[in-house]
Amino acid sequence: NAGVTQTPKFQVLKTGQSMTLQCAQDMNHNSMYWYRQDPGMGLRLIYYSASEGTTDKGEVPNGYNVSRLNKREFSLRLESAAPSQTSVYFCASTWGTDNTEAFFGQGTRLTVV
Amino acid sequence: AQSVTQLGSHVSVSEGALVLLRCNYSSSVPPYLFWYVQYPNQGLQLLLKYTTGATLVKGINGFEAEFKKSETSFHLTKPSAHMSDAAEYFCAVSGADAGNMLTFGGGTRLMVKP
Repeated sequence: NAGVTQTPKFQVLKTGQSMTLQCAQDMNHNSMYWYRQDPGMGLRLIYYSASEGTTDKGEVPNGYNVSRLNKREFSLRLESAAPSQTSVYFCASTWGTDNTEAFFGQGTRLTVV
Repeated sequence: AQSVTQLGSHVSVSEGALVLLRCNYSSSVPPYLFWYVQYPNQGLQLLLKYTTGATLVKGINGFEAEFKKSETSFHLTKPSAHMSDAAEYFCAVSGADAGNMLTFGGGTRLMVKP
């Protein structure tokens, strides 16, 4: 009963390095999301994928790219990491974009030095 | 555009006392409202949600929230706090005017004193 699985759990990058955060869900959900969590700011939507084959920008997309690899997997890529991208990243999934419950992964704590 | 304001980034209560976490929202259409809880080093999990119907919504772990349209509020309450309630709580709103995307408040960290 895995739900939403994110890897890695922790990562330290140097400024300018690139990396990909992986997310997979086993609930046959159609929609997937990437959020970042910063103190006092709640969760802000970076990108989302309403269905397989589609992706759209959220509130804070700059510096990120995403790929909906298949129905299960949705990855987030930082092409050239910056200290401002130090954050905790959460992947989530829902059956649709119609306000059903969102299921979250455990998060990836990323530090850019 | 929709937004969520949670009053008080930190709330401290004694064990057994009433828990009240405040949430006000703005939305130009009837909203869907959610409360999520985040325990340390974990993801968020749903406490309760309001979509339509009864305005008093009951959730897990003895929490409930009341949707008050006239006050644009969705405050979370629990009659008696338990040590295990210590966590961060997020109010969220979604509505058709924002493509049904979830917008989160800044979060309230609940501390429970013995």
